[in-house]
Amino acid sequence: EPEVTQTPSHQVTQMGQEVILRCVPISNHLYFYWYRQILGQKVEFLVSFYNNEISEKSEIFDDQFSVERPDGSNFTLKIRSTKLEDSAMYFCASESRYQETQYFGPGTRLLVL
Amino acid sequence: GNSVTQMEGPVTLSEEAFLTINCTYTATGYPSLFWYVQYPGEGLQLLLKATKADDKGSNKGFEATYRKETTSFHLEKGSVQVSDSAVYFCALQPPLFFQGAQKLVFGQGTRLTINP
Repeated sequence: EPEVTQTPSHQVTQMGQEVILRCVPISNHLYFYWYRQILGQKVEFLVSFYNNEISEKSEIFDDQFSVERPDGSNFTLKIRSTKLEDSAMYFCASESRYQETQYFGPGTRLLVL
Repeated sequence: GNSVTQMEGPVTLSEEAFLTINCTYTATGYPSLFWYVQYPGEGLQLLLKATKADDKGSNKGFEATYRKETTSFHLEKGSVQVSDSAVYFCALQPPLFFQGAQKLVFGQGTRLTINP
């Protein structure tokens, strides 16, 4: 069964460093999302992406964040200068053109020291 | 705006007990409704969904019915097992009025622990 994959599974970084979180969505899916979950809290929407552009972004998704789909398969989330409060689990999700269900990857746990 | 409210957790039950986790929502129009489950150390997995009023989603013995009149989507299971211990998230996706990605809006999650 096709699945969404994410790398790395864990990342530890120093405050102020750049991180890139990678996702490989399910093949032929057209809609892509990033969410995050701070430990013990609810899952929050960050950004959605369709037709090679951002569809919607939340207040969390400020100028330090960017997304890219560089090669038609990978979908990346970049944080340019990490802050302590960026520590969270980051989930990628993808959805087919029928938009029936979002399928989530296993997540990347980011720890900013 | 769109929002989802779940019952406060954590919930602790004995094996074979009946489970209800309440979920209510606020939305414009007719959203799609979902339950996702997060097992310890893992990501989010779709448990079940319903896309229109009076639909019942079901999977692995869990059920939830889309109630427009009470704006609810309560999760139920007749006899829980230790392996059902996880965090359960109720979520909605707004109606697809336009072509474009539509985010999920999640409730705060309910941690369920089943004791043998």
